[in-house]
Amino acid sequence: VQLVESGGGLVKPGGSLRLSCAASGFTFTNYNMNWVRQAPGKGLEWVSSITSRSGDKYYSNSVKGRFTISRDNAKESVYLEMNSLRADDTAVYYCARDADVGATDYFGMDVWGQGTTVTVSS
Amino acid sequence: SYEVTQPPSVSVSPGQTATITCSGDELGDKYTCWYQQKPGQSPVLVIYQHNKRPSGIPERFSGSTSGNTATLTISGTQAMDEADYYCQAWDISTVLFGGGTKLTVL
Repeated sequence: VQLVESGGGLVKPGGSLRLSCAASGFTFTNYNMNWVRQAPGKGLEWVSSITSRSGDKYYSNSVKGRFTISRDNAKESVYLEMNSLRADDTAVYYCARDADVGATDYFGMDVWGQGTTVTVSS
Repeated sequence: SYEVTQPPSVSVSPGQTATITCSGDELGDKYTCWYQQKPGQSPVLVIYQHNKRPSGIPERFSGSTSGNTATLTISGTQAMDEADYYCQAWDISTVLFGGGTKLTVL
């Protein structure tokens, strides 16, 4: 069971970046997928989620309108398209799964990737 | 906006019980999870649905929720438990992490 993020790097303010997360070792379509970030020396911050079945998308207020989450079940991958990047988007971005057990139950994010670092600086 | 609050730090002696709290309005109406994060590593789920342990998590980790407060308890704390701990609140419209608590075992 593994999640592997990629796509991080150094980008100028106002720029764009696309993160990818490749899943393996489990039935991808049974899981909702999430992006969680951690700024240097700071705590965890939920960024976005996408459900497994309907593909419903959710965003934190801090990224709504700038970031777009998507998934490709055939490629067992989830993506985060990040536009209009700002300095405060600088963080390690983690991909994490949670089991799709319906809208009224929750088993937590039980598998996390190693993270990919995004640095927004001029 | 909804917030959950944790103490920034907790200290415990080896073999003693560590208690980390997480407070938020109507927290008992949401599912609470706890994550452990050691330096340079990804978070690890240690408690879900308030009080359930994932496979592989030691029995010394337990959780509870009452009213507006969720509690992570580590019984017989070991040096290896020194880490940052984050609570997470979830319902259909909320995914929120607390600010984290640094647990020091000394």
